[in-house]
Amino acid sequence: DVKVTQSSRYLVKRTGEKVFLECVQDMDHENMFWYRQDPGLGLRLIYFSYDVKMKEKGDIPEGYSVSREKKERFSLILESASTNQTSMYLCASSPTRLAGGPPDTQYFGPGTRLTVL
Amino acid sequence: LAKTTQPISMDSYEGQEVNITCSHNNIATNDYITWYQQFPSQGPRFIIQGYKTKVTNEVASLFIPADRKSSTLSLPRVSLSDTAVYYCLVEDKIIFGKGTRLHILP
Repeated sequence: DVKVTQSSRYLVKRTGEKVFLECVQDMDHENMFWYRQDPGLGLRLIYFSYDVKMKEKGDIPEGYSVSREKKERFSLILESASTNQTSMYLCASSPTRLAGGPPDTQYFGPGTRLTVL
Repeated sequence: LAKTTQPISMDSYEGQEVNITCSHNNIATNDYITWYQQFPSQGPRFIIQGYKTKVTNEVASLFIPADRKSSTLSLPRVSLSDTAVYYCLVEDKIIFGKGTRLHILP
């Protein structure tokens, strides 16, 4: 079974702190994703990565950065946390889509509920 | 960019068949239709995927008409444990949207 783990289930930080959310997958997937989920807004894509040291902005990248130094690990960084970044953060991974084939399944971690005070 | 529209919420009773319809009028020729399920306090998980006609697996069926402008996820004989949010995605853009909150009543 694919396993995607996230460093914390719950995290409480103060405004202005630098926050690191870590995600690790054990299936050698090329693609990794960070989402945030808020009531009434569904899942929104923050950043994704198709390869080591490669990153692409999603729909809401403002206030976030990412790092992918190793294939299995994708980190989300909040340089200076703000209260509007209080949310559930979900990491996912997927293998590379074959040319002409269907999209690959994304496998999600359990999520990190971040509260910024 | 194919955008999907699905009901915000639905209620049903145990033992009933539930059908959730998703509209995707601008679906492209190469796009597939994928459904995910998310239980409270968990990440979404893949349920089913299709391109046209009908697809069935152990969890659900997916009906796609010939024009592919909509699709219907069918859950047979639901139970309380099927209470979840269901997302319809049309690739190749990774957009989950708000999903449909399904509430199964005893």
